Amino acid sequence: DTGVSQDPRHKITKRGQNVTFRCDPISEHNRLYWYRQTLGQGPEFLTYFQNEAQLEKSRLLSDRFSAERPKGSFSTLEIQRTEQGDSAMYLCASRAQQGRGYTFGSGTRLTVV
Amino acid sequence: ELKVEQNPLFLSMQEGKNYTIYCNYSTTSDRLYWYRQDPGKSLESLFVLLSNGAVKQEGRLMASLDTKARLSTLHITAAVHDLSATYFCAVDPYSGGGADGLTFGKGTHLIIQP
Repeated sequence: DTGVSQDPRHKITKRGQNVTFRCDPISEHNRLYWYRQTLGQGPEFLTYFQNEAQLEKSRLLSDRFSAERPKGSFSTLEIQRTEQGDSAMYLCASRAQQGRGYTFGSGTRLTVV
Repeated sequence: ELKVEQNPLFLSMQEGKNYTIYCNYSTTSDRLYWYRQDPGKSLESLFVLLSNGAVKQEGRLMASLDTKARLSTLHITAAVHDLSATYFCAVDPYSGGGADGLTFGKGTHLIIQP
């Protein structure tokens, strides 16, 4: 078990482009979470999955943001038509069930130029 | 809406001194987490506090939880430079049901000077 993996580690994109990030959780964890962290702030919850079901998505920042976890294993977070304000660290976390500890990945740092 | 407030937000202290970081939250919860973050890095789990009165210690750090006061503290004893980092508390809204996903405080940026 290598922990939660995120890819890529860094992404630089031009404004208006679409980007997709991947998260591979710990294999036995059925819950997967996405957070966004801007400079100097705490992480902000975006969405989460239990297995392949997306149980909360009202906290996604706009309709340009979407997430999938098609087979209940890895997940992707897509941002369409990126804006400079989307520049942030995007963190993925997983855990086995409610009430247990979270394990965070190393994050994907997005820079929109 | 759950709100989590940390104070202080910035703390500069000398090695060897003791200090406490406070974390207040606005709604009922009995699950609170403390994380450490180094610049440009992800979050490292420090403590998971799962009940009222929980106290956990690791090295020079000790965390406690008072669910009635909706308050958690992170106490630093005899600080050393290696503890310089940003410390976050986060509250899990789960308490027998409800939404999932942590709500974080803004973090306490700690600098420990020789």
